[in-house]
Amino acid sequence: DAGVTQSPTHLIKTRGQQVTLRCSPKSGHDTVSWYQQALGQGPQFIFQYYEEEERQRGNFPDRFSGHQFPNYSSELNVNALLLGDSALYLCASSLWLSGTHIRGEQYFGPGTRLTVT
Amino acid sequence: AQTVTQSQPEMSVQEAETVTLSCTYDTSESDYYLFWYKQPPSRQMILVIRQEAYKQQNATENRFSVNFQKAAKSFSLKISDSQLGDAAMYFCAYRSSTPKGGSEKLVFGKGTKLTVNP
Repeated sequence: DAGVTQSPTHLIKTRGQQVTLRCSPKSGHDTVSWYQQALGQGPQFIFQYYEEEERQRGNFPDRFSGHQFPNYSSELNVNALLLGDSALYLCASSLWLSGTHIRGEQYFGPGTRLTVT
Repeated sequence: AQTVTQSQPEMSVQEAETVTLSCTYDTSESDYYLFWYKQPPSRQMILVIRQEAYKQQNATENRFSVNFQKAAKSFSLKISDSQLGDAAMYFCAYRSSTPKGGSEKLVFGKGTKLTVNP
C-alpha cells in the first residue's frame, strides 16, 4: 500500500524565484492538505484541496497557491520566494468518509525541505 | 481560534522507564479530536494516538496512552517501557470534528523533543 509521497526531497532556490512542490496521496485518499514547518516549530496549515478545489486556507499570502489533479495528486506553488519561506513543506492526505460528515486521519509524507538563499 | 501549547521543549527518559509529555489546548468547541504525532529525524509525521473528545475513556495504543482531562483542556501522552526508537519530536494536535470552514485543519503545538538514554 503506497503511502504519501512528495518530490523533490530537497530544494534550494534564490529569493524572488518560484517553486513547485508535488504530492501524491496515499492510495484511496481524495483530500490533500499542505503544511509549512519552520525549523523548531510545529506544522502550520497552508490549505486543503478536495475535488480539485481549495476548500480551506490558513493564514498564508496569495504567493502560496495550489492545485489538485483528477488523480488526487497535488502541487504547491510559491511565488516571489522570501528567505522566510525556508521550511519543511509537508503534504498530508485523507479520505472523506462515506456516509459521514468528516474526513479520516491525515497521513503525512516525508516532506520537501526548501531552502531560500 | 484554537491553540495548542506544549510547555516542555525537551524531555529525556531512561530506556525501559516511563515518561509523560504534556499538552494543553484552548477551544470553545465541545466536540473535537486530539492527536499525538511522532516526528523522527526522518521527518515523516507518524500518528501515535488519537482521542475523541466525546469519549471519556482514555485512548491506549500498546505502550502509549493518554490522560485526557476535558474540563482542564489537558491531553498528556504517557510512554511506558521507553525504547530507543521512541526518540523523536512529539507534537500534540487539535482538529475540530464538524467540517465548517477551516475546521478540518490540524492545529499543532511547537513540539517536545524526547531523548531516550540507553
